[in-house]
Amino acid sequence: GESVGLHLPTLSVQEGDNSIINCAYSNSASDYFIWYKQESGKGPQFIIDIRSNMDKRQGQRVTVLLNKTVKHLSLQIAATQPGDSAVYFCAENGGAGSYQLTFGKGTKLSVIP
Amino acid sequence: KAGVTQTPRYLIKTRGQQVTLSCSPISGHRSVSWYQQTPGQGLQFLFEYFSETQRNKGNFPGRFSGRQFSNSRSEMNVSTLELGDSALYLCASNVGAPTTDTQYFGPGTRLTVL
Repeated sequence: GESVGLHLPTLSVQEGDNSIINCAYSNSASDYFIWYKQESGKGPQFIIDIRSNMDKRQGQRVTVLLNKTVKHLSLQIAATQPGDSAVYFCAENGGAGSYQLTFGKGTKLSVIP
Repeated sequence: KAGVTQTPRYLIKTRGQQVTLSCSPISGHRSVSWYQQTPGQGLQFLFEYFSETQRNKGNFPGRFSGRQFSNSRSEMNVSTLELGDSALYLCASNVGAPTTDTQYFGPGTRLTVL
């Protein structure tokens, strides 16, 4: 049959505004979560991670929030810049004993100068 | 410290041929994972190796295989190529396990099957 491309959710933000990218994960056993950024033509780049014993972790201009009750992860980017334009993926580990990451479908962030 | 390197960066093959892709992990990293990325399916896990042993394999046909060498470098092979194998193949490495510590990706190999 015909291959249908992923219709990535898109988030457009004005330069300087804050961005919030959301992700619903699937496995309640997952205890390690990661956010990656992928620019066109490049491999995914690690942004920040969080373990299930935390509900918030901050990096440089980025914050990840974890809500295990509703299996929800979010990435907040402060003062969004044009260089932040990319596709953002969340990933989960599937719990102890797993050796693979499961990635979400991704969200495309477009920064309007 | 050098990042994950993948060779070649681009490949064009025809249906029925086979291909071998190479990945050199970050120095000191012993785990190497492979992923296939397509517009239709996103990022899908192929397999993971640690100390020359495959610890996990994704849901791909037997045409997809891999191996890891004693220096942690890894190769993946796809035999009898199909049009649907056209994708970006990504390699990632980490110290121990991709599920407990940070995994770093290479730039990928873009495979086009004609």
